[in-house]
Amino acid sequence: DAKTTQPPSMDCAEGRAANLPCNHSTISGNEYVYWYRQIHSQGPQYIIHGLKNNETNEMASLIITEDRKSSTLILPHATLRDTAVYYCIVKRDSNYQLIWGAGTKLIIKP
Amino acid sequence: DTGVSQDPRHKITKRGQNVTFRCDPISEHNRLYWYRQTLGQGPEFLTYFQNEAQLEKSRLLSDRFSAERPKGSFSTLEIQRTEQGDSAMYLCASSLLAGVDNEQFFGPGTRLTVL
Repeated sequence: DAKTTQPPSMDCAEGRAANLPCNHSTISGNEYVYWYRQIHSQGPQYIIHGLKNNETNEMASLIITEDRKSSTLILPHATLRDTAVYYCIVKRDSNYQLIWGAGTKLIIKP
Repeated sequence: DTGVSQDPRHKITKRGQNVTFRCDPISEHNRLYWYRQTLGQGPEFLTYFQNEAQLEKSRLLSDRFSAERPKGSFSTLEIQRTEQGDSAMYLCASSLLAGVDNEQFFGPGTRLTVL
């Protein structure tokens, strides 16, 4: 079973920051937090991952709480093309499997 | 385009028929994964290969399912005697050897409909 809990859906206005929460209260010390997204009718796409520190790349920022029991993915300036299902996954770096939950369906509105 | 490719993109078949899907991973990637995704759910792991060796199979992979990666490059997933419950999106992904940065790159998937 997935070790993460996410809201089933969220809306965000175009141009605003989209903040997607994820709860992973049973995360182990050696498990990373990964985020993927899946645009309709496409395969999932990697976004970002982190262990303890906050991370930022060209797509998004990942904020992990100090106790690592939750995290937030931030899309700083959401566009209509960011409409997708966003998946939060915890995974050991040596573990080949990604165990997926149902994700959050993010709808960006004009 | 050097991403993961899958063929066919769509397959409609009648119950009881056999189907085979192909996945071409990113060329330098050692690991190849198969997932199944049903409507409204996240992908479910089926199996993975490291080079040509199949190292793990999920309980979801019944005896009717078989996967191969004969030369450590492309892979095939065959489903024999298809059932309506096999209708799903079949996703292939590839990655470098496990490590911190072993993000999995996914193909577009093959959507199977069993009538």
